Amino acid sequence: EADIYQTPRYLVIGTGKKITLECSQTMGHDKMYWYQQDPGMELHLIHYSYGVNSTEKGDLSSESTVSRIRTEHFPLTLESARPSHTSQYLCASSDGSAYGYTFGSGTRLTVV
Amino acid sequence: QKEVEQNSGPLSVPEGAIASLNCTYSDRVSQSFFWYRQYSGKSPELIMSIYSNGDKEDGRFTAQLNKASQYVSLLIRDSQPSDSATYLCAVTSTGKLIFGQGTTLQVKP
Repeated sequence: EADIYQTPRYLVIGTGKKITLECSQTMGHDKMYWYQQDPGMELHLIHYSYGVNSTEKGDLSSESTVSRIRTEHFPLTLESARPSHTSQYLCASSDGSAYGYTFGSGTRLTVV
Repeated sequence: QKEVEQNSGPLSVPEGAIASLNCTYSDRVSQSFFWYRQYSGKSPELIMSIYSNGDKEDGRFTAQLNKASQYVSLLIRDSQPSDSATYLCAVTSTGKLIFGQGTTLQVKP
């Protein structure tokens, strides 16, 4: 079944650690997105990609980085995690924004 | 001015009533409009899309679009406690989806 997967679902990590949040989709979508959402707050776009080797920063400044080496894979990396990075990170994909996005189940990150 | 605006609520309705959720947007060239439902701690799920002026019905849900007024709404008929969630309006702009802050709906038994 075509879907979008995020791992891990929950992550608690110490300050200063490097982390990578994984996102993979099996729908063959060219467009992929990372959103950050604090509890009860808005979704903020932090990164997006329209295809392999194409990445752009979103509307909300983020210290994270992304890569897109394969169509199906769009990982997000934090080189040195800080408590201010505590949030939920949502990955999404689409075959064109006219058809909406499909979201993964999210990664809830806590930095202690 | 935010690109997509929603009343954050909460909007409280009794079970069986009609819930009306509203959204305005600022980009006149937006072409596609979506409503997502998000349960607490979960990711958003697409429930309705609308592209043309007028009404679009899907089961208990009706989306309404008025491009001249830059206004889109979602009606939920026969509201159920399971409809209690945050409803996100999303609008295409410059090739991306822009989300509103969401309206929290509470359906009381």
